[in-house]
Amino acid sequence: DAGVTQSPTHLIKTRGQHVTLRCSPISGHKSVSWYQQVLGQGPQFIFQYYEKEERGRGNFPDRFSARQFPNYSSELNVNALLLGDSALYLCASSLVPGRYEQYFGPGTRLTVT
Amino acid sequence: TQLLEQSPQFLSIQEGENLTVYCNSSSVFSSLQWYRQEPGEGPVLLVTVVTGGEVKKLKRLTFQFGDARKDSSLHITAAQPGDTGLYLCAGLGNAGGTSYGKLTFGQGTILTVHP
Repeated sequence: DAGVTQSPTHLIKTRGQHVTLRCSPISGHKSVSWYQQVLGQGPQFIFQYYEKEERGRGNFPDRFSARQFPNYSSELNVNALLLGDSALYLCASSLVPGRYEQYFGPGTRLTVT
Repeated sequence: TQLLEQSPQFLSIQEGENLTVYCNSSSVFSSLQWYRQEPGEGPVLLVTVVTGGEVKKLKRLTFQFGDARKDSSLHITAAQPGDTGLYLCAGLGNAGGTSYGKLTFGQGTILTVHP
């Protein structure tokens, strides 16, 4: 079975631009979470979606938004990019939120110049 | 806000040595997960511990969850160069709390095992 997939793998953007990152969960998983991992640190929670509804939001500015589609795939959008947004963006899927392990995709490496 | 303190941050040892990584918090978690991450890749789940006092073994790796479900440890016996990587602990928030379904990660431990 395919694991969590993310696209693109790498992305280079300029300050002020907008970016969209995509994630497909493991088949049968209905919950998707997004995390930001800055070099040298553990991942930080951004959003959690379940059944197309936002179920949790971390301490990130409103420039960050996300949505989940009927097929349970998800998009993370970041507007007005800052240099500090450079990070590895990870998507994790789970059967349902709160009770099951979360499995991570390979991540999207975003570099903002 | 739930926080997880992971220590040590760096660990450099020789092949065959034993090591322990600690993960401590003042918060109670519904479960605690350990991940291993290679450079440029996503974290790979090693184990989940759920019950206070629970001990799980995965070959040479032993994971323990504290009785109060606030802390955990990872012990590696006879480390090998293939164990090199970033080890992350992550606590899952309790039902009914603001952190429900959210993983709170420690800072990670970078382990290097020299042949």
